[in-house]
Amino acid sequence: GNSVTQMEGPVTLSEEAFLTINCTYTATGYPSLFWYVQYPGEGLQLLLKATKADDKGSNKGFEATYRKETTSFHLEKGSVQVSDSAVYFCALSVNQGAQKLVFGQGTRLTINP
Amino acid sequence: SAVISQKPSRDICQRGTSLTIQCQVDSQVTMMFWYRQQPGQSLTLIATANQGSEATYESGFVIDKFPISRPNLTFSTLTVSNMSPEDSSIYLCSVRLAGGNTGELFFGEGSRLTVL
Repeated sequence: GNSVTQMEGPVTLSEEAFLTINCTYTATGYPSLFWYVQYPGEGLQLLLKATKADDKGSNKGFEATYRKETTSFHLEKGSVQVSDSAVYFCALSVNQGAQKLVFGQGTRLTINP
Repeated sequence: SAVISQKPSRDICQRGTSLTIQCQVDSQVTMMFWYRQQPGQSLTLIATANQGSEATYESGFVIDKFPISRPNLTFSTLTVSNMSPEDSSIYLCSVRLAGGNTGELFFGEGSRLTVL
């Protein structure tokens, strides 16, 4: 079946630290991959996406590269800020007709000043 | 993007009662979905809301427990029936916009239900 596995949380870093949140997936066919972010008290927002192998999604200083050979889509940021504190969800979509998303378990990130 | 309004944003309910959650979108959408996010858990798809016909439910979810309506393109309701404490969750409406990119979904802020 289709599934997403994320790095266990919570993750706590100091401001300006380097961030990596690991995400690996299992899918039939050729999925599109996404990172969604949920800030405290808000709904989910799309952070970035990649629709085919070797694509790199980027937004707000975050990056993730679609690695078919390792079935991974790790989220990285070179220098995190306090405002990046949120829950991050990796997700995939394999059924283009229905556009359903399968989510990972989420990783809570806290950035301390 | 789109503005997705959910009501209520939160509620405290008694065991055995039912509650209907509304989702209104300000843009034309092609697909509408309902997700559940249990405390400390990820999001699980409940069903796809189909306009003018019965919703398509995922494994483990049934119409008697989670009846869904979608009378037009931009509005849907989810009812959580005969609630128990295990139904305490955040319920999220999600949409794919007409002309939107492959796979990208937009989410409402969710409806946080606590069942006593």
